[in-house]
Amino acid sequence: DAGVTQSPTHLIKTRGQQVTLRCSPKSGHDTVSWYQQALGQGPQFIFQYYEEEERQRGNFPDRFSGHQFPNYSSELNVNALLLGDSALYLCASSLAYNEQFFGPGTRLTVL
Amino acid sequence: AQTVTQSQPEMSVQEAETVTLSCTYDTSESDYYLFWYKQPPSRQMILVIRQEAYKQQNATENRFSVNFQKAAKSFSLKISDSQLGDAAMYFCAYRNLGGYGGSQGNLIFGKGTKLSVKP
Repeated sequence: DAGVTQSPTHLIKTRGQQVTLRCSPKSGHDTVSWYQQALGQGPQFIFQYYEEEERQRGNFPDRFSGHQFPNYSSELNVNALLLGDSALYLCASSLAYNEQFFGPGTRLTVL
Repeated sequence: AQTVTQSQPEMSVQEAETVTLSCTYDTSESDYYLFWYKQPPSRQMILVIRQEAYKQQNATENRFSVNFQKAAKSFSLKISDSQLGDAAMYFCAYRNLGGYGGSQGNLIFGKGTKLSVKP
């Protein structure tokens, strides 16, 4: 049983560019949450998708957007990249009110 | 808003010894979940242990146990018989029972404690 997968593993972008990160949830899970983890910090909640709708959102600007597909996979899009967007982006999946299982993350570097 | 505080940026323990990591939190909710996650250098966040606030009994998972003090809003993690593989960042996290629109609540993390294990 595959766990949560994320792609790509890492990528490098320049300021002003746009990026799309992808997440496939653990089999049987219907909820996907995205977190941003800056170096040396704990993860910060970006948003959560359930039934293809954004259900909750953390304190992140509109440059951060997402989508959930009918197969429960999800994308995180970040527009107009800033240097401060450099971080590890973690995806977590869950079913109903059970534990969130995390993927290995995508390391984004903005130059 | 809920907050989670880990006051120990770094801790060190001798192999086979016991270490306790501290965590305090703030919430006005009466029912919620608390978690300890481990993040090794591989970056994968791994769930170590989970505690439901309505349960008075402290959770235990093999060598890992918690001391949950609801009134004091304290949730410490004890690692017994420490092993070299326990070296990692440890994050304390809080989650409400439910979010909006039927979804579950999001996780709120502390800043983490870096645990080193000396052979």
